[in-house]
Amino acid sequence: AQSVTQPDIHITVSEGASLELRCNYSYGATPYLFWYVQSPGQGLQLLLKYFSGDTLVQGIKGFEAEFKRSQSSFNLRKPSVHWSDAAEYFCAVGVGNAGNMLTFGGGTRLMVKP
Amino acid sequence: DTAVSQTPKYLVTQMGNDKSIKCEQNLGHDTMYWYKQDSKKFLKIMFSYNNKELIINETVPNRFSPKSPDKAHLNLHINSLELGDSAVYFCASSRGRTDTQYFGPGTRLTVL
Repeated sequence: AQSVTQPDIHITVSEGASLELRCNYSYGATPYLFWYVQSPGQGLQLLLKYFSGDTLVQGIKGFEAEFKRSQSSFNLRKPSVHWSDAAEYFCAVGVGNAGNMLTFGGGTRLMVKP
Repeated sequence: DTAVSQTPKYLVTQMGNDKSIKCEQNLGHDTMYWYKQDSKKFLKIMFSYNNKELIINETVPNRFSPKSPDKAHLNLHINSLELGDSAVYFCASSRGRTDTQYFGPGTRLTVL
């Protein structure tokens, strides 16, 4: 069965610092991969997704992620964090015939210091 | 206007009751979903549904059933509620099965 692991439950970075959130997946076939962000009391918003092609994916709000098949990873990065980026971040793998049955990781809570 | 809306936002009920959560999307999407987020923030897909096909996560108890009166709505019915059903339930929709899923704000269900 597929699974997604986000090793870091909490991360704190200073505003303006760079960010990398880790995501590792386990899935037998070529995965569809996603990063979502959840602000407190809100639903999830898609940051970016990887289906195929270029392994470096650009998303909204200045985020990017790189698919590394050899490491089964899809880490999320941002060169300079803003205070408004403080939220919960979820990595997900899409399975099923259409890749739309999402399995999520446990999430990483990002806190931003002024 | 809210793209994907859910009602109610909070639902508190007793064990054994039957309850429903409503979901509506005004995006013209063909596929809708229900997810459960537990107290540890783990999100799990429950159902994927379009007008042709219902896909059920095999771990979902049959006390849970999605009902779609039309393409814009996918309601979640839960029978004989149990304590372990307490969670936040998210509805989502997508244009096609491989397109981006847009999530609603969630419904926090508390079973006492």
